[in-house]
Amino acid sequence: QVHLVQSGAEVKKPGAPVKVSCKVSGDPLTEVTIHWVRQAPGKGPEWMGGFDPVEGEMIYAQKFKGRVTMTEDTTTDTAYMELRSLTSQDTAIYYCVRSRLTVIVMWGQGTLVTVSS
Amino acid sequence: QSALTQSASVSGSPGQSITISCTGTSSDVGGYNFVSWYQQHPGKAPTLVIFDVTQRPSGVSDRFSGSKSGNTASLTISGLQTEDEAVYYCCSYTSTSSSSYVFGTGTRVTVL
Repeated sequence: QVHLVQSGAEVKKPGAPVKVSCKVSGDPLTEVTIHWVRQAPGKGPEWMGGFDPVEGEMIYAQKFKGRVTMTEDTTTDTAYMELRSLTSQDTAIYYCVRSRLTVIVMWGQGTLVTVSS
Repeated sequence: QSALTQSASVSGSPGQSITISCTGTSSDVGGYNFVSWYQQHPGKAPTLVIFDVTQRPSGVSDRFSGSKSGNTASLTISGLQTEDEAVYYCCSYTSTSSSSYVFGTGTRVTVL
């Protein structure tokens, strides 16, 4: 049984970066495909990007290209998502999710990121 | 990629059936049989209730069923129960520009 445990809530100033972690347990990260989804208050989820096992590389939603970097440390089975140049519009809960190519099968508990001056 | 369109709210009495719709385009819902549905209770992460349009994960009640016609997918909850009160989101896999997911706007289900 795979579990996804995320880092704690963050409060950031506009313009700062944030880095959220997602610890995978139950299976090694090399056997799990992690993507990232965010959900602004009162809104639907929004896909940000993740690892594409077909292309063998990280892929990002056009909206976030140039501002987001997703990485993985297979020695600690931890995935990371860094979002830069934060604005108030980035205030949201950020989820790491397990993808099985055509479906998201599991969500982490979420990390609230608040951007406020 | 624009969000999939869902009705804002649906309500029903215990024991009744309700249906939630999710409308996309031929680039997502209509182009692939990879529509999934998620249930989200307040303050919780979403959980998967239907995948690949009609499939139920193990452990999900058979009161949940899915279907699709053209660019519109539907989730039906039969024998409505109080614990079904939640927000439901549809999601479609798409590989139009790159492999990705597009979500719906969400439907709040209220059990009267």
